[in-house]
Amino acid sequence: KAGVTQTPRYLIKTRGQQVTLSCSPISGHRSVSWYQQTPGQGLQFLFEYFSETQRNKGNFPGRFSGRQFSNSRSEMNVSTLELGDSALYLCASSLGVQRGGTDTQYFGPGTRLTVL
Amino acid sequence: AQSVTQPDIHITVSEGASLELRCNYSYGATPYLFWYVQSPGQGLQLLLKYFSGDTLVQGIKGFEAEFKRSQSSFNLRKPSVHWSDAAEYFCAVGASGGYQKVTFGTGTKLQVIP
Repeated sequence: KAGVTQTPRYLIKTRGQQVTLSCSPISGHRSVSWYQQTPGQGLQFLFEYFSETQRNKGNFPGRFSGRQFSNSRSEMNVSTLELGDSALYLCASSLGVQRGGTDTQYFGPGTRLTVL
Repeated sequence: AQSVTQPDIHITVSEGASLELRCNYSYGATPYLFWYVQSPGQGLQLLLKYFSGDTLVQGIKGFEAEFKRSQSSFNLRKPSVHWSDAAEYFCAVGASGGYQKVTFGTGTKLQVIP
């Protein structure tokens, strides 16, 4: 089975621009979660999508948004980029149907975003 | 809300020595616990997980972890470390609410010296 893929792997943008990152989950997985990883803040949960609906959301400003398509592929968008948005953005996929619990998440390689 | 503490930011061990990475969690119900490893510039790879049952969990690459409810701990161990184990290790806890809400620790960076 193919793993989680993320595109692009690297991005350089300038302040004020917007960016869209893409994530293709493992086949059969319906849940996609996004995380931001920085040296100072570590891994922080952005949001989770399941069957095209946002099911969970972390504490990030509204500039961070996402969506999920019917084939479970997900995109994350950041508008009005700030220098502090420079980070590794990780996508994780899971079945998302564990009754009363948390399914195992499988991570993609990440997208390295640099904001100048 | 759940939380995870990894008290050691950086650990150095000699190749061939044993390893134990500490993880303490805070969660009111039965936790779903994970250990992941991350090589520089890469995503996270699952080493092992604990959902229920046997408290000693075997994972990939010769790693194991033991769930101790009384100590709220889920420490990762390996009897003999290889140079290729040098990486950053993350402990994580998931909620029992049926949602994918996973909280990660701050990570422990492992250095292996020959």
